[in-house]
Amino acid sequence: GESVGLHLPTLSVQEGDNSIINCAYSNSASDYFIWYKQESGKGPQFIIDIRSNMDKRQGQRVTVLLNKTVKHLSLQIAATQPGDSAVYFCAENNAGNMLTFGGGTRLMVKP
Amino acid sequence: NAGVTQTPKFQVLKTGQSMTLQCAQDMNHNSMYWYRQDPGMGLRLIYYSASEGTTDKGEVPNGYNVSRLNKREFSLRLESAAPSQTSVYFCASSELVGAEKLFFGSGTQLSVL
Repeated sequence: GESVGLHLPTLSVQEGDNSIINCAYSNSASDYFIWYKQESGKGPQFIIDIRSNMDKRQGQRVTVLLNKTVKHLSLQIAATQPGDSAVYFCAENNAGNMLTFGGGTRLMVKP
Repeated sequence: NAGVTQTPKFQVLKTGQSMTLQCAQDMNHNSMYWYRQDPGMGLRLIYYSASEGTTDKGEVPNGYNVSRLNKREFSLRLESAAPSQTSVYFCASSELVGAEKLFFGSGTQLSVL
């Protein structure tokens, strides 16, 4: 899940398994959510987004689930590959209509 | 199509020195942003420009100034660098401000000694 601070939560999965990265967001009025992937030494790269009028959205090997009742967002990666190893950030647009980013989760894929 | 381009990629400054980080986008986006990223933390918004000719403070604006030079370019200036400004800086752009995906540059790693 998400955390703010010096130590990123880490998810370690076996290559080929499915990964689920969780995020708790803060503002019940947020109506747009987004996931980014950041590889070491690079800028964040867009993965998938979802608006609050949806519960689920699928992309290529990725699915985002939104549970507005408990203010929870998750990113599911199917058949995780070594190239999926990165830090994953969720973001919400809350007060001021700016994106606010979570602290990130590190995904490590074991071959 | 380069997307968002930032220069320089690395910079070392002494306390009190000034410098400007440059950012340009070629996607004809209206909105541009500067974020900083500290170890183990998410991105924090420093300043943004919703459209050409406008700039606004973000979450952590102190010690920084920005200029939206034209639609393509958005620069970030540190007038008197402090060690607390040691960070990785990312520029981003989006078509509009708000509930829109951002496109990020590759970052500038800044160390202030």
